Amino acid sequence: NAGVTQTPKFQVLKTGQSMTLQCAQDMNHNSMYWYRQDPGMGLRLIYYSASEGTTDKGEVPNGYNVSRLNKREFSLRLESAAPSQTSVYFCASSPLTGGNNSPLHFGNGTRLTVT
Amino acid sequence: GQQVMQIPQYQHVQEGEDFTTYCNSSTTLSNIQWYKQRPGGHPVFLIQLVKSGEVKKQKRLTFQFGEAKKNSSLHITATQTTDVGTYFCAGRGTGNQFYFGTGTSLTVIP
Repeated sequence: NAGVTQTPKFQVLKTGQSMTLQCAQDMNHNSMYWYRQDPGMGLRLIYYSASEGTTDKGEVPNGYNVSRLNKREFSLRLESAAPSQTSVYFCASSPLTGGNNSPLHFGNGTRLTVT
Repeated sequence: GQQVMQIPQYQHVQEGEDFTTYCNSSTTLSNIQWYKQRPGGHPVFLIQLVKSGEVKKQKRLTFQFGEAKKNSSLHITATQTTDVGTYFCAGRGTGNQFYFGTGTSLTVIP
């Protein structure tokens, strides 16, 4: 099993460009999450999907959109990239909806630079 | 909104010394999880605490969840160079969201 797979691993964008970060998990998990990690800020939740067909905003959703394409895939889209979106983006999945035994499994991350 | 604060931000210890990081939430948590992230890597799940006052051990690591379920700590006894990394707590509120602390970066000096 691959676990959580993110693509691409690295990306450089110019201000105003758009792109989609892809995430897929093969663990049959219900919940999926997108976090961004900035120095000194920890991991901040952008959007999450508690189950297939639902998405909700996290702490820092502005400038992003998401799509839960099916149970396996959860994509993050930047419509018009800004330098403030330079960050490392992590996708994560979790096995249960509403349960207590729900560790997060992270992908390897996407390092995005916006110039 | 929910906030999870973590201290200290950085900690340098000599190999063999102990290390502790503390996590505090502004609201009551349904559970708390701890993760370790090696430099250049992704967070890896260590443990989850659910009950008020719960204490769990993993070899040299001791995790505690406060009585009010608003704070937690991770203590490492006799640190080793393999303990290097950033340790994060993540609190879960009433929904499916996990709020991460800012992390404590541990450097172990051989």
